[in-house]
Amino acid sequence: AQKITQTQPGMFVQEKEAVTLDCTYDTSDPSYGLFWYKQPSSGEMIFLIYQGSYDQQNATEGRYSLNFQKARKSANLVISASQLGDSAMYFCATSFQGAQKLVFGQGTRLTINP
Amino acid sequence: GAVVSQHPSRVICKSGTSVKIECRSLDFQATTMFWYRQFPKQSLMLMATSNEGSKATYEQGVEKDKFLINHASLTLSTLTVTSAHPEDSSFYICSARVVTGGLRNEQYFGPGTRLTVT
Repeated sequence: AQKITQTQPGMFVQEKEAVTLDCTYDTSDPSYGLFWYKQPSSGEMIFLIYQGSYDQQNATEGRYSLNFQKARKSANLVISASQLGDSAMYFCATSFQGAQKLVFGQGTRLTINP
Repeated sequence: GAVVSQHPSRVICKSGTSVKIECRSLDFQATTMFWYRQFPKQSLMLMATSNEGSKATYEQGVEKDKFLINHASLTLSTLTVTSAHPEDSSFYICSARVVTGGLRNEQYFGPGTRLTVT
């Protein structure tokens, strides 16, 4: 079964610093996708970035980049130049071949300090 | 990006009553929608997968008779919590799948519904 692990329950970072949120996954399926979502206190889930298992390059979306290390089965999210508005819960998730659904990690609460 | 709405955003109901939550895809058609439940400080737990025109697929441990799901059109899915009890109080979030090919079946989420059963 697919499994996602986020080992950092909470992270505190100074504004303007870069931050890395860890995510490891466990799957025997050769084809899978990796996602990161942001959940502010309002509760909505905001899609941030996607990485496919066959993608050769790391995905980037503005200040977000995904450090994809396939051999280590990790898909860490890197946020550059953090802002106060980045404070939120962050969830890593995976989809896998033949399945429509996403499996979510436990989440990391990121707090940006001014 | 794709927009998903959810209504109501908050609802308080008395124990024993039923509550219906609507999930709509506003600017795209969604053949598949998902319903999640989220307890405070926890991750999202998938309750069921809703496919337009067919019965929903429930995850193990989710009571299908208690959580009725209807996906009557390509833009609307509803979740009805029947005979609600205080333990059903939770944050319910729906999502709609955007088919872009391959595994990039990214889901766009509604804003969620906070249900409180008194």
